[in-house]
Amino acid sequence: KQEVTQIPAALSVPEGENLVLNCSFTDSAIYNLQWFRQDPGKGLTSLLLIQSSQREQTSGRLNASLDKSSGRSTLYIAASQPGDSATYLCAVRDDYKLSFGAGTTVTVRA
Amino acid sequence: DVKVTQSSRYLVKRTGEKVFLECVQDMDHENMFWYRQDPGLGLRLIYFSYDVKMKEKGDIPEGYSVSREKKERFSLILESASTNQTSMYLCASSFGGNPSYEQYFGPGTRLTVT
Repeated sequence: KQEVTQIPAALSVPEGENLVLNCSFTDSAIYNLQWFRQDPGKGLTSLLLIQSSQREQTSGRLNASLDKSSGRSTLYIAASQPGDSATYLCAVRDDYKLSFGAGTTVTVRA
Repeated sequence: DVKVTQSSRYLVKRTGEKVFLECVQDMDHENMFWYRQDPGLGLRLIYFSYDVKMKEKGDIPEGYSVSREKKERFSLILESASTNQTSMYLCASSFGGNPSYEQYFGPGTRLTVT
């Protein structure tokens, strides 16, 4: 059974600092990995999708890396802003479903 | 843009009531999913459907059933709601045939059973 772990569970940084969020998974036989953002009481917004054959994906200030062999992914958010405050979830797809981590709750202080 | 909509943002029901949660997607996706999200437990898959009238159990199907009569619509049914089904329910969809396709999520329905 796939287990997905996100460390740390919570993070508080001053505005402008770079954010580093970690995700690890136990079974490397995955199709892809997605990073999501969730605002309080809301649904999930997809940020980045990395296919199993890829090493990284970039979108604006966001960069996600994937090391499938070691079962790790890292989400980097450059020059953080208060609007980046949210919970970030990673999820791996093996076969038909996504297995989710518990998330990292980020607070960016102005 | 892909749009996944859910019929209600908030819902309050009584124990024992039959509850319907509706999800509609507008991108002709073959796959549709129902998850529930609980503090400390994360998101867990309840059911998914890979085609009209087809369904598969996820990790926690007990107490739930689903219906997919049309490709764009996937319903989650609580036959007799119980307080332990109070949760946030999230619907998702994706193209089928290839597990590498991205899943898109709706805004969620927060269900409270009293």
